[in-house]
Amino acid sequence: AQSVTQPDIHITVSEGASLELRCNYSYGATPYLFWYVQSPGQGLQLLLKYFSGDTLVQGIKGFEAEFKRSQSSFNLRKPSVHWSDAAEYFCAVGGMDSSYKLIFGSGTRLLVRP
Amino acid sequence: DAGITQSPRHKVTETGTPVTLRCHQTENHRYMYWYRQDPGHGLRLIHYSYGVKDTDKGEVSDGYSVSRSKTEDFLLTLESATSSQTSVYFCAISGRETGSPLHFGNGTRLTVT
Repeated sequence: AQSVTQPDIHITVSEGASLELRCNYSYGATPYLFWYVQSPGQGLQLLLKYFSGDTLVQGIKGFEAEFKRSQSSFNLRKPSVHWSDAAEYFCAVGGMDSSYKLIFGSGTRLLVRP
Repeated sequence: DAGITQSPRHKVTETGTPVTLRCHQTENHRYMYWYRQDPGHGLRLIHYSYGVKDTDKGEVSDGYSVSRSKTEDFLLTLESATSSQTSVYFCAISGRETGSPLHFGNGTRLTVT
């Protein structure tokens, strides 16, 4: 079955510290992988995406993610967190089948300590 | 930002009443989706559309119906609202070019009392 697991419901980091949010997926075919961010009361904004090629992808706001096929993981990282990064982060997986649906993880809420 | 408008933004309704949520896009994208967001569940797909009058069910479609009579509009109807349908509903669109992501509207917060 296709699924996405984000094992951390909440993560708290200090401003300026590094960040890694975990994402594991189960998908039968070559996956397309995405990270989205959601600020309170807002819709989801795309941070970055992976389709093929270089397994380290760069996104907006200084985020990057690394695709590791052997571990079925697509972890999101940022070297130095800013207070404005506090939000909820969602990992999603999809593929180029006939429906092009995305399956989302349950999200990780990031809190940033001043 | 992708041109997606959801209406209403907030709605409170009573159990047993029908409710229709509207998603309007100005991007002329072929694919449109309705997701619901609940704590601990992330986003779950309700229904999606791959063209005018072409729709299909997602993983949580029971109690919901959709219609798409024009490319730009995708309607979600709760036929008889229940308290379990209290949620935040998001519309998304996609151009379905290779690897194109979904773009989301700002959501509709629905409360069923």
